Amino acid sequence: GAGVSQSPRYKVAKRGQDVALRCDPISGHVSLFWYQQALGQGPEFLTYFQNEAQLDKSGLPSDRFFAERPEGSVSTLKIQRTQQEDSAVYLCASSLSLAKNIQYFGAGTRLSVL
Amino acid sequence: GENVEQHPSTLSVQEGDSAVIKCTYSDSASNYFPWYKQELGKGPQLIIDIRSNVGEKKDQRIAVTLNKTAKHFSLHITETQPEDSAVYFCAASKNPGSARQLTFGSGTQLTVLP
Repeated sequence: GAGVSQSPRYKVAKRGQDVALRCDPISGHVSLFWYQQALGQGPEFLTYFQNEAQLDKSGLPSDRFFAERPEGSVSTLKIQRTQQEDSAVYLCASSLSLAKNIQYFGAGTRLSVL
Repeated sequence: GENVEQHPSTLSVQEGDSAVIKCTYSDSASNYFPWYKQELGKGPQLIIDIRSNVGEKKDQRIAVTLNKTAKHFSLHITETQPEDSAVYFCAASKNPGSARQLTFGSGTQLTVLP
């Protein structure tokens, strides 16, 4: 594809439900990042993969958040037992290589927890 | 960790005028500074970036300046057009030789009045 693809675009969950958000990076991109963007704020880092290895998960806000990229391509961000404060836009970005940290973002998934 | 502050939070200019957005960062080890434009309902789009080995970079109507000593960088848009209206984010990252997370500012809502 031409860009980073995220699905679903919108997700409404009842408090306590589990959700899974998908990211398809640009083909061939080695690095993949997840960010959380609260309303009116800049994106905040959650976690980072290089191929299938999760190298940094320091931004994950709690152990309810889990991310994986098992084959080094598609990634899934899972949130267990969602809470209202999890409501945000979840952005995925990918970059081609280690040599240049140019990150290309998807359109995001807007999660609303009721 | 890194902290990026961005000003102003909102900016209105007349079409054809120039717009300037300023950011400061706290970590002197940061050496990659991208600017993103985010339109409503879309993901951030990279518009220009600068690395710490240069002081200025220009791309048509957009320019970025970097002052490493003062730890601040600025985005300059000349001859603004209504389609420039969007939220602009600055960001900073360490070690461009390896893919690392971006720390974003809080954003500037730019409105170009026709």
